Order: sequence, then structure tokens, then C-alpha cells
Amino acid sequence: GIQVEQSPPDLILQEGANSTLRCNFSDSVNNLQWFHQNPWGQLINLFYIPSGTKQNGRLSATTVATERYSLLYISSSQTTDSGVYFCGRAGSYQLTFGKGTKLSVIP
Amino acid sequence: NAGVTQTPKFQVLKTGQSMTLQCAQDMNHNSMYWYRQDPGMGLRLIYYSASEGTTDKGEVPNGYNVSRLNKREFSLRLESAAPSQTSVYFCASSEVPSGEAEQYFGPGTRLTVT
Repeated sequence: GIQVEQSPPDLILQEGANSTLRCNFSDSVNNLQWFHQNPWGQLINLFYIPSGTKQNGRLSATTVATERYSLLYISSSQTTDSGVYFCGRAGSYQLTFGKGTKLSVIP
Repeated sequence: NAGVTQTPKFQVLKTGQSMTLQCAQDMNHNSMYWYRQDPGMGLRLIYYSASEGTTDKGEVPNGYNVSRLNKREFSLRLESAAPSQTSVYFCASSEVPSGEAEQYFGPGTRLTVT
């Protein structure tokens, strides 16, 4: 089946630092979503990005479909950014998820 | 506009008991999905409904059944719960099937089977 690999698996940042999270895919990418799962378990939609770059405040995402990867940039991190970040590759009907990157932002 | 809602939020079952997880969306979406999330894992698809009146198996359907009650509601039933079904269950919806539209998730149901 299709493999989605996320790196790094864990990341600890000082508040104010920047970070880059990565998703690699074993197959072509038609559409991709990035999510933040907060400490209460809720999945929050960050980006829906088949290709190119999108920005939303301190967060931005880039998908390079031809090279089968996507990047999520977090700038000036805050403690509220803590949680697990997932990418999901869209297939015909389902999202195939990676195992996530657990981000801890410390004051 | 509540988005995707799920009931219950928490449930504890004994092995062999049955239960139904409820999901509803108010976004007039055509497609709905049930996923499960196990510790340290991403979400895996159990069943989906591409449109009202249709349901299909996903990656991990064994031990589950679903019903697309109407356009708004999609339920997941465990007929005889097993400890391996201890998980967090998420319902999602999208305007059209996943490859063409963004999926939106409910808050989840945390299920423990003892």
C-alpha cells in the first residue's frame, strides 16, 4: 500500500524558534492535508494543499508533488503549537496518514 | 454551524457487548468516513460512504458495520466488542470523495473495551 513517512517523529523547541516538518510519499500526490492534533485530541485542519505553497499566519506549507513530499513550516513557535502534526495523502476515497510529528514547545 | 459532531465522547464496554457510535454533519457534505486512531499511529480508515445510499470497506473493516442513515448521519456499530477495538474513533466528512475535497473531522469518541 501507499506509505506516508513523517519526520522527525519528535521535536522539542524553545518558544520563538522556527521548525520544518516533512512528509514523504511512496506514490504520487493528488491532494494533501496537514492537521494539528491538539493535546485534547481534536484534529484541526491546517492546510489543504495539492501543490505549491500556502500561508496562514505563522504557518506555511509547500507540496512538491513531482518529488512526492510536503513541508510544514512553523515560525516563531508558541506553546499553543504543541501537539501532534499529521499529514494525510488523499486517495480516491480516503486519507492515508503518516504517524505524525510530536511537537513540544517549551517556554 | 456545528460541523461534524459525534456521540458519545467516551465509552467503556465489556468484551462481547455491542454499541453504536453516532456521527452527524451539518455542512451538506456528500461523503462521510469512519477512522480509528491507535496510540502512536496515524488514523486508519474503517468504512466510508461516498454518497447517500452507498458504503464501502476501508483499510480495517473487520468487526465493524456501518449505516448511512441519511445525508447527515453515518453510524458505526460494533456487534461484539473486543479489546483490540480499544481506540479513538473519528468521523469525517467532505463535500465530494476525498481525492477532490478537504475532509473535516469530528471531536472523536474514546472507546475502551475491557
